[in-house]
Amino acid sequence: DQQVKQNSPSLSVQEGRISILNCDYTNSMFDYFLWYKKYPAEGPTFLISISSIKDKNEDGRFTVFLNKSAKHLSLHIVPSQPGDSAVYFCAASAWSDMRFGAGTRLTVKP
Amino acid sequence: SQTIHQWPATLVQPVGSPLSLECTVEGTSNPNLYWYRQAAGRGLQLLFYSVGIGQISSEVPQNLSASRPQDRQFILSSKKLLLSDSGFYLCAWSVSLTNEKLFFGSGTQLSVL
Repeated sequence: DQQVKQNSPSLSVQEGRISILNCDYTNSMFDYFLWYKKYPAEGPTFLISISSIKDKNEDGRFTVFLNKSAKHLSLHIVPSQPGDSAVYFCAASAWSDMRFGAGTRLTVKP
Repeated sequence: SQTIHQWPATLVQPVGSPLSLECTVEGTSNPNLYWYRQAAGRGLQLLFYSVGIGQISSEVPQNLSASRPQDRQFILSSKKLLLSDSGFYLCAWSVSLTNEKLFFGSGTQLSVL
């Protein structure tokens, strides 16, 4: 069962523009959400997270938005840089149960 | 600082052969340890997690097993590999089990032929 879905397998944006990566979840028990970034032949690295008591968390160029009523979260990268090109995984957690989406491959073109 | 080591980086094994992937964590004590697998086009699937030496929880019944012989060592094994065991295997650790970010190793790309 896919409790966390990233419906866009890939996204391409121009350098300097905004990148918006989306994630939907089905389990209303999830209360903590994370984004990971993965380069080829490397393990994912933690990028940013948000608790269900918030609707926004910002860290530099990265902002995560949470819409609990829609069970939707998104990651905004502004401005996008070529070094941001990677696969981004969304994850949702309830207690010790962490589920991952299938990932979105972001390509930032110079 | 904490580091996680996972090896080998790539592995090609024939069907029916055994498997042993090893993961070690440095710079922390009593970490929670995890094995994940990513099949092509799929998300990361949790296979096993461990909260302490000799304590293994299995999330997906299958052809694989895990062991934790030492506090910072986590091993993924199989007696006989299947074609469907191919994938990208990731070891990870965290400070706690609940709502905690994971620190991943660099992964092992396993191809079963």
